[in-house]
Amino acid sequence: GEDVEQSLFLSVREGDSSVINCTYTDSSSTYLYWYKQEPGAGLQLLTYIFSNMDMKQDQRLTVLLNKKDKHLSLRIADTQTGDSAIYFCAETTYMNRDDKIIFGKGTRLHILP
Amino acid sequence: DADVTQTPRNRITKTGKRIMLECSQTKGHDRMYWYRQDPGLGLRLIYYSFDVKDINKGEISDGYSVSRQAQAKFSLSLESAIPNQTALYFCATSDYYTSGLIGAGELFFGEGSRLTVL
Repeated sequence: GEDVEQSLFLSVREGDSSVINCTYTDSSSTYLYWYKQEPGAGLQLLTYIFSNMDMKQDQRLTVLLNKKDKHLSLRIADTQTGDSAIYFCAETTYMNRDDKIIFGKGTRLHILP
Repeated sequence: DADVTQTPRNRITKTGKRIMLECSQTKGHDRMYWYRQDPGLGLRLIYYSFDVKDINKGEISDGYSVSRQAQAKFSLSLESAIPNQTALYFCATSDYYTSGLIGAGELFFGEGSRLTVL
C-alpha cells in the first residue's frame, strides 16, 4: 500500500533554515501536504502543493517537489521558536471516492537557542 | 468557537470500562474521521464516515466502534477499554465536493482527546 516516510527528529538553531524531508511511494499522488501540530493542539494545514508543480513559496515557507524521486521537502527560512512543532507530510490522489490522505509519522522540529 | 469540537479533552479510565469520545463540527462537511496518535507511530485511521449512512473501517478499527448521529456529529466508542488504547485521539472533517475540485481537500482537526486506560 501507499507509504509516506519522514525522519522523526530535526534540531535547528534559531535563525537558521530548517529543511524537513519526506518520501512517498504512490506515483499517482495528486496533492501533497504539510501539516503542523503545535504542542497540545490538533494538526493544521500549513501548506500544500499540486503534483503538477515543482515549487511553492509562501512567505518563509518553500515546498519543493521532485516527482521523479517521489521526494517532498519543506524549508522554513529564519526558523523561530514558534516553529517548534511536529510537521507531518501527507499525500492523496483523490481520484476515487475511497481515497484518503496518507500521513507520515511526523518530524519533531526542535529549535536550539 | 472551534469548528471541530471534541469532548472530553482528557479522560482517565480503568481497564474494561466503556468510553465514548464525541465530536461535533460546524463546518458543514460531509466527511468525518477518527484518528489515533501514538508517539513514533504518527496518525492511524480508526474509522471514517462519508455521510450518516456510510461508515467505514480504517486501518485499526478492532476494539472500536463509531456512530454518526447526524451530519455534524461522529462519536467513537471503546466498548471495553484496554491499556494499549491509551493514546491521543483526533476527530477530523473534510468536504468531499471541495476535495480535488476547488480547495486543497484538506482535513480540519479537533484539538484532540487524551485517553489514559489504567
